[in-house]
Amino acid sequence: DTGVSQDPRHKITKRGQNVTFRCDPISEHNRLYWYRQTLGQGPEFLTYFQNEAQLEKSRLLSDRFSAERPKGSFSTLEIQRTEQGDSAMYLCASSLVSNRATNQPQHFGDGTRLSIL
Amino acid sequence: GIQVEQSPPDLILQEGANSTLRCNFSDSVNNLQWFHQNPWGQLINLFYIPSGTKQNGRLSATTVATERYSLLYISSSQTTDSGVYFCAVAYNFNKFYFGSGTKLNVKP
Repeated sequence: DTGVSQDPRHKITKRGQNVTFRCDPISEHNRLYWYRQTLGQGPEFLTYFQNEAQLEKSRLLSDRFSAERPKGSFSTLEIQRTEQGDSAMYLCASSLVSNRATNQPQHFGDGTRLSIL
Repeated sequence: GIQVEQSPPDLILQEGANSTLRCNFSDSVNNLQWFHQNPWGQLINLFYIPSGTKQNGRLSATTVATERYSLLYISSSQTTDSGVYFCAVAYNFNKFYFGSGTKLNVKP
């Protein structure tokens, strides 16, 4: 059973650059979530997908952020024109939610740690 | 959104001691999970426990959904238990709301 995979693990970039992160969920999971965690805080919700449909976006997700899940499998999170305040751990999680099946807990990847210079 | 409060915020234990961590939440939920975040930032699932009691080795958890709280018990603590413990709740299996965590330091 392969877990949730995130790439890269670490990203260091200069302010103003664009960055893209990738998340591969557990294969049979239909839901995929993105969270952001800053130092000393709990993770905060950014957005989530059911299959390829983006169902909810937090107001934390400014217009510089975009997330996609084009085929309902892996997802990408892009940040354009990065700012110092974007420095954080970006976490991806997946779960199986179904009217028929027993709902499953969320499983988290190891995260991508973003540092803006 | 749902408010999640965890207590205590910080806890220092001597190896071998027992502890209880608490999570209070402000609204009805049907998903509650406890996580351990290790020093490398990895979030490890401990329990999926929207209600009832579960045990896994030295750890156990109880959720009383009608009273909107959950407890995580750690017995015979070990230095490897150090890290931050998070409670996360969700309504209708949607997004999680996380507490601010309990930072545990187990000393040898």
